[in-house]
Amino acid sequence: GAVVSQHPSWVICKSGTSVKIECRSLDFQATTMFWYRQFPKQSLMLMATSNEGSKATYEQGVEKDKFLINHASLTLSTLTVTSAHPEDSSFYICSALPGQGGTEAFFGQGTRLTVV
Amino acid sequence: SQKIEQNSEALNIQEGKTATLTCNYTNYSPAYLQWYRQDPGRGPVFLLLIRENEKEKRKERLKVTFDTTLKQSLFHITASQPADSATYLCALHTGTASKLTFGTGTRLQVTL
Repeated sequence: GAVVSQHPSWVICKSGTSVKIECRSLDFQATTMFWYRQFPKQSLMLMATSNEGSKATYEQGVEKDKFLINHASLTLSTLTVTSAHPEDSSFYICSALPGQGGTEAFFGQGTRLTVV
Repeated sequence: SQKIEQNSEALNIQEGKTATLTCNYTNYSPAYLQWYRQDPGRGPVFLLLIRENEKEKRKERLKVTFDTTLKQSLFHITASQPADSATYLCALHTGTASKLTFGTGTRLQVTL
């Protein structure tokens, strides 16, 4: 099946610094990628939809200036958590949709962010 | 308000039995519904998709039903094995751009 690689798998950063998370589709092109956040024992919450070559669409309540998304190519989307604070500590997961109108999303392995 | 609820936070069953997980939703009209498996510290893995005009879908030991009148999907794992222990998530396609909205998940534990 299609593979989505997310990097890094985990990261610890100091409060106030920025962290970049990469999401790559390894064997297919993804016009659309999604970024989710998951807190312990909770479900995945969609943060934003990332479209190649255009601005990301953020869900209500998600600060676009804090969570910068760049989808520069059909195989790469990045999420940058700017000025991270301890409350941003969470599990961040990306998913990618192959081609146009795909229905099966492939997920990355997730990134555990801990802000100290 | 819109909600997606999965029957229980945790479900414990004995190896060999059939596990049945429930996904109920309100105030959505999804074109299709998906089930995913998630292991601790990992991203979800796609299992099955069922469309609104389909009643049932099967894949090996897995079976999904979709009742748009009851607004419910049932997910069955027959002849369950300890390796099936994981959290199972249902997800609805809602809105545009194939966005997925996830349920709260059910943690399945299959014991010997």
